[in-house]
Amino acid sequence: TQLLEQSPQFLSIQEGENLTVYCNSSSVFSSLQWYRQEPGEGPVLLVTVVTGGEVKKLKRLTFQFGDARKDSSLHITAAQPGDTGLYLCAGVGNSGYALNFGKGTSLLVTP
Amino acid sequence: DAGITQSPRHKVTETGTPVTLRCHQTENHRYMYWYRQDPGHGLRLIHYSYGVKDTDKGEVSDGYSVSRSKTEDFLLTLESATSSQTSVYFCAISEGGAATAQYFGPGTRLTVT
Repeated sequence: TQLLEQSPQFLSIQEGENLTVYCNSSSVFSSLQWYRQEPGEGPVLLVTVVTGGEVKKLKRLTFQFGDARKDSSLHITAAQPGDTGLYLCAGVGNSGYALNFGKGTSLLVTP
Repeated sequence: DAGITQSPRHKVTETGTPVTLRCHQTENHRYMYWYRQDPGHGLRLIHYSYGVKDTDKGEVSDGYSVSRSKTEDFLLTLESATSSQTSVYFCAISEGGAATAQYFGPGTRLTVT
C-alpha cells in the first residue's frame, strides 16, 4: 500500500489566519486528489492535481503538487469558519482502480 | 450533487448477526466503492467494483463480501458482524476509475454490540 502521511493531524486557528497542510509520501503518484469532509457527511472533492509542480487555486485555497509527484500541499488564505472540516488527500493505488487516502487534517476555524 | 444514497443510515446490531448495507446510484457510473472510516485510521477501502458482477478486494476486506448485480446497486454484507466492524461506512462512485473524481454517499453508521 502506498502510504500518504498528512500533517498536522489537528489544527485550530482563528478566523483570518493563513494555514498550510501537507500530504507526503515516499511513493510517486500519477495524481493526487484533495477532499473536504464535514461532520456527518461524505467527503467532497476539491481538486485533482496531475502535473509535477502544478499549482491550482480555488478561491482562497491554493493546492500544489510537488515536482517529484510525491507530495502536495493545501494553503488556505484568510481562513473562515466555513473552512472547518477534515481535509483528506488521496492518490491512486497500485491497483489503478482505487484511491489510497491519508488520515486527514482536522481543521477548526473559530470566529 | 451526485445521486448516491445509502441505506440504512444508522443501524445497531448484535454480534454474530448478518448485516447488509445498500448503495444505490442514479449516475450510471461504472465504478463503485465501499470504505470504512474509523478514528486514527482514516478512510480504508473494503471492496470495489469495476462493473456488473466485477468486484475486487480492498485493503480491509476480511469479514466482508459484496455483490453487484445491477449497475446502480452495490451491496456490502457482513456475514457475521463483530464489534471491530463498528464504523461509519461510505459508498463512493466514479465514472472513470480511481484517477477520476469520486463522489461519496452520506454514510451509514453501524454499531455492533
